[in-house]
Amino acid sequence: EDQVTQSPEALRLQEGESSSLNCSYTVSGLRGLFWYRQDPGKGPEFLFTLYSAGEEKEKERLKATLTKKESFLHITAPKPEDSATYLCAVQPYAASSGSARQLTFGSGTQLTVLP
Amino acid sequence: DAGVIQSPRHEVTEMGQEVTLRCKPISGHNSLFWYRQTMMRGLELLIYFNNNVPIDDSGMPEDRFSAKMPNASFSTLKIQPSEPRDSAVYFCASRDTGGGYYGYTFGSGTRLTVV
Repeated sequence: EDQVTQSPEALRLQEGESSSLNCSYTVSGLRGLFWYRQDPGKGPEFLFTLYSAGEEKEKERLKATLTKKESFLHITAPKPEDSATYLCAVQPYAASSGSARQLTFGSGTQLTVLP
Repeated sequence: DAGVIQSPRHEVTEMGQEVTLRCKPISGHNSLFWYRQTMMRGLELLIYFNNNVPIDDSGMPEDRFSAKMPNASFSTLKIQPSEPRDSAVYFCASRDTGGGYYGYTFGSGTRLTVV
C-alpha cells in the first residue's frame, strides 16, 4: 500500500528563518511526486512535480528535492505570505499495466511565518 | 481560464436529506477527480473519470454516494441520504493526461455540513 508521511505537522518560523519540510514515501514504483500549497478555504494549488531521484525544482523562495525515499521542500528566507499548508502527493505506477495511478496525499505541514 | 468551478461553496443540510455537489472541469481536461478532505483523514480520493467514464470508485465510502459525468464539462457527486459523518470539504480536480503527467487543478471546494 502506498504511504506518504509528512513532517513536521506544524512549523512556525520567523520571517527570514529558512527551514525544510519533509515528505517520506513508500510506493512500489514512483511515477511522480507532487508538492501543493493550500491556503485556508481554498483548494490545493500545484507547485512542483519531481520524477527522479536527484531532481530539483525551484520557484521563488521554494526549492523541492527528491531522493528514492523522501522529498524536501526547502523554504529560503520565508515571508508571512508563505504561510499555508504544504501537501505532498505521490503518483505510483500501476503494477499490472505500467501506467500511472492516481495521487495519494500526505496529511500536510501547516507552515506559519511570523513577521 | 476560469479554472475548476464547484458549486455550491457551502452547503448545510439536515441528516437524511439528499445533497448534490457540482463541478465544471477545465475545458480540454480529460480526467476528473472527486476528493474529500477532513482533519482526521486528510485528502481522500473518492472517484475519478477518464473521458467521462468512471474508472475507479473504490474510494466511495458506501452506496449512499454516487457520482456521474454526463459530459466533458459537468460532473455531480450525490449523497443520499446524508449523515453527519459526511461533513467535510469536497474537492473536484481535473487534469489533462495527454502527452504527459501534470499536476491536478483543484476547485475551491464545497464545505458540507450535515446536522
